[in-house]
Amino acid sequence: DQQVKQNSPSLSVQEGRISILNCDYTNSMFDYFLWYKKYPAEGPTFLISISSIKDKNEDGRFTVFLNKSAKHLSLHIVPSQPGDSAVYFCAATAGGTYKYIFGTGTRLKVLA
Amino acid sequence: SAVISQKPSRDICQRGTSLTIQCQVDSQVTMMFWYRQQPGQSLTLIATANQGSEATYESGFVIDKFPISRPNLTFSTLTVSNMSPEDSSIYLCSSVGTGTGGDTQYFGPGTRLTVL
Repeated sequence: DQQVKQNSPSLSVQEGRISILNCDYTNSMFDYFLWYKKYPAEGPTFLISISSIKDKNEDGRFTVFLNKSAKHLSLHIVPSQPGDSAVYFCAATAGGTYKYIFGTGTRLKVLA
Repeated sequence: SAVISQKPSRDICQRGTSLTIQCQVDSQVTMMFWYRQQPGQSLTLIATANQGSEATYESGFVIDKFPISRPNLTFSTLTVSNMSPEDSSIYLCSSVGTGTGGDTQYFGPGTRLTVL
């Protein structure tokens, strides 16, 4: 049972435009969500997180939106840059534990 | 955030052998974890490495197959025992704690294992 789903395996966006990466979850107990970025041959790098008490968190070009009723979160990157090309994973956890449940990732390609 | 290193970065091993992967953090951390990422799959937590006691394994993972040590607050090893081609994956360690700036997990670069 895949509790965290990223239904788009890949996404291509023109440089300067907005990238929107989506993530859905099924477990209503999840209360903390994270996005990681992964380059080839490197480990995942933490990007941004959001607690379930919020519906938006922003950090520079990165904004995460959380819709609890829809069990959906999204990562917006504005403006997109070629260096943003990577695989993006969303992750969720519940109850202050460190057991992260990861999605399968979305490969973002930003075209120059 | 803490800097996490892993050795080896990659290896090719024969079926039936074992490989030990090392994870070193540059500062003391509260918790360390081991993950596996099989080809085309998400990251899956194998176990929590507990300092001075036995690791806590997730469902589907057992100590005989994945023995873990954590002798201090900055170092841990994961052994993949009696390997088969199905063990071909990227193995990653992560840590969380005062050395990593809060509650977020930070990851090492991973060890890419291929079993023939």
